Formats: sequence, structure tokens, C-alpha cells
Amino acid sequence: DTEVTQTPKHLVMGMTNKKSLKCEQHMGHRAMYWYKQKAKKPPELMFVYSYEKLSINESVPSRFSPECPNSSLLNLHLHALQPEDSALYLCASSFRDRKESEQFFGPGTRLTVL
Amino acid sequence: AQSVTQPDIHITVSEGASLELRCNYSYGATPYLFWYVQSPGQGLQLLLKYFSGDTLVQGIKGFEAEFKRSQSSFNLRKPSVHWSDAAEYFCAVGVSRDGGSQGNLIFGKGTKLSVKP
Repeated sequence: DTEVTQTPKHLVMGMTNKKSLKCEQHMGHRAMYWYKQKAKKPPELMFVYSYEKLSINESVPSRFSPECPNSSLLNLHLHALQPEDSALYLCASSFRDRKESEQFFGPGTRLTVL
Repeated sequence: AQSVTQPDIHITVSEGASLELRCNYSYGATPYLFWYVQSPGQGLQLLLKYFSGDTLVQGIKGFEAEFKRSQSSFNLRKPSVHWSDAAEYFCAVGVSRDGGSQGNLIFGKGTKLSVKP
């Protein structure tokens, strides 16, 4: 299995809702990432987990809360989002959290905040 | 400062024509270079990567890239473009965090490829 899966594919939420994005990989990778991608822009790194521990938080607002319950799963909990948070959220994984590591990306969750 | 520049925002080529997408990087140490492709609304797929050794790297879908250290470039090429190659292409460099072995990808802004029939 060489893929990263993400659910849901699309999500529409109001500014007072709480929702979660889920990411899963079964490649034995020990680094997992969340990216945010706005239209016509490159992905922006949000969080990095290495061996299930948060390694990087790129100054992301607290309304985004990541969680890595085990080595295969990565969640992103969303609460009180703003319309400007609407974007494609990409999960990725790599063998290790290293600069030479190839990252495998999931198909993304298209999030719309009303 | 570490950066990746893709000078062309949008390129249109005819189907069957050759393609070259440009990428220049700025990084003081050994660069780990990647080309990713993204179809609309999809995730990113790795086309090829360069770490060391042969400067001409072969990838999937008939793509290749050439690393030129003297020009700080890693241009992507394909001899004959297919309509299915229409997508966004991102060049990226793996950079160290805090001087250690851990690292992130820094992406260029991307080049959108359109293919004319």
C-alpha cells in the first residue's frame, strides 16, 4: 500500500462548527505533515509530526489543532474557523522527517467555511 | 535565504511538442531537489528527485530533469507532451531545519501547463 488517504474529500462548515479531517497511511512512515493550499499557490506547511510527536507548528492559529494518535493516523481538528481558512488541506507522509525524504501526498480535503 | 524560483507562471505547448519547465534554487548546502505534479483538485505526485550522482534524472510519465550546480537549476523536460500532462508543476528543495538532519520542503510557486490539441 503506497498511498495516503484523506477523509472527507469535501467539507462545508460554519464558523461555529467543530469538525475533523483525517489522514491515514500504511507505508510505515514515521513523519506526517499537514499543508494548507490556497488556489493557484504552492502548499504551505502547517504541522510536522515525527514519531507521533509534534515537531513543527508553523505559527498556525489555535483554531487548528493537530493530533497524531498512532503512527498511521493524523487528524486535524477544526473549531471556530474563518472564511479565509477555506482551502485544500493536504496530508503527506515520509519515511522519516529528513530534508532528503520524499513526501507522499494524499488527495486533500477541500474545506469551505461559510 | 533558501528559495525556489519557477520563472514561468503559465506555459502552453502543443500536444506532441517538447517541454521544458524551469526551476532555480537558492540553498547553501547540498540540495535535495524534487519535481511534483498536481492535477486540479488533487494531491501532489512526485515525478522525480535528485540527491547526488548522475545529474540527469529520469522520472515517471516520461519526464526527466537535469541538475546544473553552476546555474543552480533543476529544469524539467519531456520530449513529447500528452494532453494528460496538463497540470500544475511544482519544483521543491528539501532544506534543513536548524542546521540538523530534520527538514522541510520549500516549494516554488508552480508553473501551470496547458496543452493545445
